[in-house]
Amino acid sequence: NAGVTQTPKFQVLKTGQSMTLQCAQDMNHEYMSWYRQDPGMGLRLIHYSVGAGITDQGEVPNGYNVSRSTTEDFPLRLLSAAPSQTSVYFCASRNHRGGTADTIYFGEGSWLTVV
Amino acid sequence: AQSVTQLGSHVSVSEGALVLLRCNYSSSVPPYLFWYVQYPNQGLQLLLKYTTGATLVKGINGFEAEFKKSETSFHLTKPSAHMSDAAEYFCAVSEGEDTDKLIFGTGTRLQVFP
Repeated sequence: NAGVTQTPKFQVLKTGQSMTLQCAQDMNHEYMSWYRQDPGMGLRLIHYSVGAGITDQGEVPNGYNVSRSTTEDFPLRLLSAAPSQTSVYFCASRNHRGGTADTIYFGEGSWLTVV
Repeated sequence: AQSVTQLGSHVSVSEGALVLLRCNYSSSVPPYLFWYVQYPNQGLQLLLKYTTGATLVKGINGFEAEFKKSETSFHLTKPSAHMSDAAEYFCAVSEGEDTDKLIFGTGTRLQVFP
């Protein structure tokens, strides 16, 4: 059981470049989300989705796009990378029916550096 | 809006000593409260959670936390620290099951000395 899989694990981008962080889960979870983790700031929610075709903004959505065409995948797109987007990104998923009472499962993270 | 405050970004204890990591929250409705642990270069793993019912919650690896509504606190404790407990710990809150948003604290790094 792979759980939540993120790729790539490490990436260096130049300012202005675009890229997509991939996230896939094999647990048939309706809810998926992306967080960024920065020193001294904990995890902040970027975008989330409660099912295929449904996405919504979190706390820090600017500069990021998401889509949810399938239950399994939830890619995060950086349209024009900026140094402020240097961070560790975590994808997470859980069942939607129980809301936040259901356990959320995290991927192992993607380290992104924008130079 | 809900928020979480973790007092102390770093906590150091000796092996065998009591571990106490502090978490205070604010919420306009009865909250759901969580503690997560993050080992180096890994994702977060759920330690324990409080949703409803008994206010003393037991989790994995010998950790427990008590929900105290009057103090708006959810402190994490472990009677005897082990070297393997060294990690970063995050407290999180949500406003019940009708929300999909989980708000995290800034984390507390626990060091355990032999």
